[in-house]
Amino acid sequence: KQEVTQIPAALSVPEGENLVLNCSFTDSAIYNLQWFRQDPGKGLTSLLLIQSSQREQTSGRLNASLDKSSGRSTLYIAASQPGDSATYLCAVLTRGALLGKSTFGDGTTLTVKP
Amino acid sequence: ETGVTQTPRHLVMGMTNKKSLKCEQHLGHNAMYWYKQSAKKPLELMFVYNFKEQTENNSVPSRFSPECPNSSHLFLHLHTLQPEDSALYLCASSRFSRGGELSYEQYFGPGTRLTVT
Repeated sequence: KQEVTQIPAALSVPEGENLVLNCSFTDSAIYNLQWFRQDPGKGLTSLLLIQSSQREQTSGRLNASLDKSSGRSTLYIAASQPGDSATYLCAVLTRGALLGKSTFGDGTTLTVKP
Repeated sequence: ETGVTQTPRHLVMGMTNKKSLKCEQHLGHNAMYWYKQSAKKPLELMFVYNFKEQTENNSVPSRFSPECPNSSHLFLHLHTLQPEDSALYLCASSRFSRGGELSYEQYFGPGTRLTVT
């Protein structure tokens, strides 16, 4: 059974700092890994999708890496801004799982202070 | 409209009421999902529909009844709910090949905030 862990559970940084969020998973046989952002009481916004054959994806100030062999992914946020404050979730789609069934981590709640 | 939409955005219902949540996707996807998100808990997958067929019922109580009339619409019918069912209910959609070899992003709707009194 796939298990996804996100560390830390919460993170508070001053504006402008670069930061890294971590996601680890126990079963490396995956189709893809997806990073989401969720604002309080809102739905999830897809940030980056990394296919199993890829090592990283970049979008603006965000960079996500994937190391399947070690079961890890990181989300790097450069030059953080107060608007980046949200909960960040990673989700893993495992091979052999029921079609479409992703496993989500508990999330990391990020606060960027002005 | 584009993306995934959900109605209503907020719902307050008594334990004896019957209501329905609606989800619609305008992305041409063939898989749709219902998730439950309770306070301080991770996302819980409730139901998955691929090509309009239900492929997952994650031990969800029968007071929740999904319906997928076509690949663009998904409903969650609610009846005789309990206060612990109060949560944010999220709908998502994605695109899949039959064999699952190709995988794509999941797109989420804004959610319905449900309060059971």
